[in-house]
Amino acid sequence: RKEVEQDPGPFNVPEGATVAFNCTYSNSASQSFFWYRQDCRKEPKLLMSVYSSGNEDGRFTAQLNRASQYISLLIRDSKLSDSATYLCVVKGGSSGSARQLTFGSGTQLTVLP
Amino acid sequence: NAGVTQTPKFRILKIGQSMTLQCAQDMNHNYMYWYRQDPGMGLKLIYYSVGAGITDKGEVPNGYNVSRSTTEDFPLRLELAAPSQTSVYFCASSTNRGDRHKNIQYFGAGTRLSVL
Repeated sequence: RKEVEQDPGPFNVPEGATVAFNCTYSNSASQSFFWYRQDCRKEPKLLMSVYSSGNEDGRFTAQLNRASQYISLLIRDSKLSDSATYLCVVKGGSSGSARQLTFGSGTQLTVLP
Repeated sequence: NAGVTQTPKFRILKIGQSMTLQCAQDMNHNYMYWYRQDPGMGLKLIYYSVGAGITDKGEVPNGYNVSRSTTEDFPLRLELAAPSQTSVYFCASSTNRGDRHKNIQYFGAGTRLSVL
């Protein structure tokens, strides 16, 4: 089983749609959780951290369910500029140092005009 | 601010050649990392460093070496290039100060390497 597992997509949605991405992680001792965004042929950039109580940043909402080891990202009112690959990232999820980040393979989103 | 700078951006190597991928950061971060990303895959950690003079292996260290003589620089060395090392390599850095900031990794623009 992969340590961090995501649906690879692609998700093709029209502008204005709401889209949700899911992610599961295998290590129950994982400490911190993030969503990173990666544009085509670019480096990953932090989109948002994910907190146990759930958190929102504008059109983006992240949720964490520690009991189910499940993380989600909801994007409301999708924009063309949201087209990217979204990486689910877990800290302390590998068998190595707790400082390390473990990346999912990413979910590709294309927002269509 | 430059952030994390990687050079070169692109490189083609022949099998058996060696090269060094350069990475420098100007944010005074203690932690630095090297990842590789194969097509359609997530990033895999090659090596990391928690400070000058200290390095440790990540998930996929075989075929690579690193050094960290200064806080700013963290070069990655490929000694005998193999086709399996064709990938995009990302360097990243993070601070160890402040709960809010210490988990955020800042990435360089990447080096695209092909070994033929």
